[in-house]
Amino acid sequence: DAGITQSPRHKVTETGTPVTLRCHQTENHRYMYWYRQDPGHGLRLIHYSYGVKDTDKGEVSDGYSVSRSKTEDFLLTLESATSSQTSVYFCAISKTGGSPDSPLHFGNGTRLTVT
Amino acid sequence: DQQVKQNSPSLSVQEGRISILNCDYTNSMFDYFLWYKKYPAEGPTFLISISSIKDKNEDGRFTVFLNKSAKHLSLHIVPSQPGDSAVYFCAASQGGSYQLTFGKGTKLSVIP
Repeated sequence: DAGITQSPRHKVTETGTPVTLRCHQTENHRYMYWYRQDPGHGLRLIHYSYGVKDTDKGEVSDGYSVSRSKTEDFLLTLESATSSQTSVYFCAISKTGGSPDSPLHFGNGTRLTVT
Repeated sequence: DQQVKQNSPSLSVQEGRISILNCDYTNSMFDYFLWYKKYPAEGPTFLISISSIKDKNEDGRFTVFLNKSAKHLSLHIVPSQPGDSAVYFCAASQGGSYQLTFGKGTKLSVIP
């Protein structure tokens, strides 16, 4: 375990409600990522952060926003949840941005169900 | 457009035999490749990686082979053990990028 805690681990919410998922790390790594995993799609990058207040979009960022006010915390917000956002969400961290000497390490995921 | 492809959704292997998991990629700019293993209800765990300047990297029972001309890599597990039963993801990135592109995964079942 690379010192990554995701909360909550499970959440059921209704369509149209806002949802915030939290990722907390104790490794003091600069880079943090949010991925989603869906059957038939593998893992897809939603957003990532390369420092406090520095974030950028991944390949499936529509409908999601992120914030990073402290090195250790990276929040993923669904402003108005939709059923297509039902998924398992993984946070990952890296010391040097996924270079050969610092592969991404993942948390145990948050299973989100939007009804 | 899927840039990293794992064309076998599942694979069954007898305990003690070799498991070979395959991965193809289309982006010739990828220069760093990784394999992750994932158990149910857990996050992916980094297994082994290879840089494009190499054609082989070995770590205990796990060996990754890279064939750049064919844009193909493979993960060999010898000997396979029941604890190796998991979903294996191939991933790739290109120099200077913070992003990993993942394949859809291959579920390996090692039969005792």
